[in-house]
Amino acid sequence: AQKITQTQPGMFVQEKEAVTLDCTYDTSDPSYGLFWYKQPSSGEMIFLIYQGSYDQQNATEGRYSLNFQKARKSANLVISASQLGDSAMYFCAMRELPYNNNDMRFGAGTRLTVKP
Amino acid sequence: DAGITQSPRHKVTETGTPVTLRCHQTENHRYMYWYRQDPGHGLRLIHYSYGVKDTDKGEVSDGYSVSRSKTEDFLLTLESATSSQTSVYFCAISLGQAFTGELFFGEGSRLTVL
Repeated sequence: AQKITQTQPGMFVQEKEAVTLDCTYDTSDPSYGLFWYKQPSSGEMIFLIYQGSYDQQNATEGRYSLNFQKARKSANLVISASQLGDSAMYFCAMRELPYNNNDMRFGAGTRLTVKP
Repeated sequence: DAGITQSPRHKVTETGTPVTLRCHQTENHRYMYWYRQDPGHGLRLIHYSYGVKDTDKGEVSDGYSVSRSKTEDFLLTLESATSSQTSVYFCAISLGQAFTGELFFGEGSRLTVL
């Protein structure tokens, strides 16, 4: 069964600095997608970024980028120029293709705190 | 906005009582999911549905049942609630194969079983 590991329960970063949140995954399927979600203190789950296993380029969405190292099975989220509003819980997730036939599995999450 | 609403948003109940959580969507999506969120576990799939009257079990389905009699509503039922079912429950939809597989979530329902 696929497994997602986020080894950092909590992280601190200074405002305006970059931060990397780690995620490793385990799957024997060559076709999958990797996802990151943000959960602020209000509780909603916000989709941030997606990376397909066959994508050649690392995904980017504004200040978010995904550092995808397929051979190492890692999919780290990089947040550039941190803002106070980035303080939240962040979840890494994976889903094998075909997506709608497969569960999205989540890591335990990393709580990011941005310091002013 | 994926047009998902969950009700109730908060509920406190006693052990042994039945509880039903409702997920309502306004955009006719075929695939719907129920997850629970617990500290240290992230989100785990309880049940999902791939159409009216078509449902299947997820990773943590014991003690839960679901029903989908209309496209727009996906109900999660705890027949006899236990304290271990105290959790935050999220409904989600998937936008179909044409998209990149991300799920869009409702606001969550916080359930406390005393």
